[in-house]
Amino acid sequence: DSGVTQTPKHLITATGQRVTLRCSPRSGDLSVYWYQQSLDQGLQFLIHYYNGEERAKGNILERFSAQQFPDLHSELNLSSLELGDSALYFCASSAQGLAGVETQYFGPGTRLLVL
Amino acid sequence: AQSVAQPEDQVNVAEGNPLTVKCTYSVSGNPYLFWYVQYPNRGLQFLLKYITGDNLVKGSYGFEAEFNKSQTSFHLKKPSALVSDSALYFCAVRAYQTGANNLFFGTGTRLTVIP
Repeated sequence: DSGVTQTPKHLITATGQRVTLRCSPRSGDLSVYWYQQSLDQGLQFLIHYYNGEERAKGNILERFSAQQFPDLHSELNLSSLELGDSALYFCASSAQGLAGVETQYFGPGTRLLVL
Repeated sequence: AQSVAQPEDQVNVAEGNPLTVKCTYSVSGNPYLFWYVQYPNRGLQFLLKYITGDNLVKGSYGFEAEFNKSQTSFHLKKPSALVSDSALYFCAVRAYQTGANNLFFGTGTRLTVIP
């Protein structure tokens, strides 16, 4: 158990809908990262938050957004869902995430299925 | 820019034999390299990382990896494979941009240890 929690574990929804994925980092970690794992694109970085502020963006669609709250948990919002958004969404956390090379610890993921 | 390649989609090895999972990288600057393992329906688990120093890095569950700068490789190894090592293995390199700490992942190698 990495100490990173994600809810829900599974999510089934329809095209055009909006969903919110939640992540709680390890105790004391200030950085949260979101990754998407799909069959065709592999594991891709979406976005990084440090202590409430966005630090870096990867291949995140404009339909997707995220935020990190004062208690350091993070939410990934996916809107106008398409079939191709079906994937496993991982959250990872690290202690700082600003400098140095820290280990990222991954949560169990949320499996999203868009029908 | 940075990238990582895992040339083998699948590696099969007999239980008790040594195993190697290959990874090559391309970075502009110092490479910071990681190995993660993913078991079915689980998140990614950290195995080991190379930042600097000794080229042979020891990690969890008896795994080790050898950093080879001249060959730009970071192969994962284990002297004696266990059936329980069967999983999906990912090599990753850290982003080099200032302020970014996200990881770029390879496409993964599925390791099957045959009893």
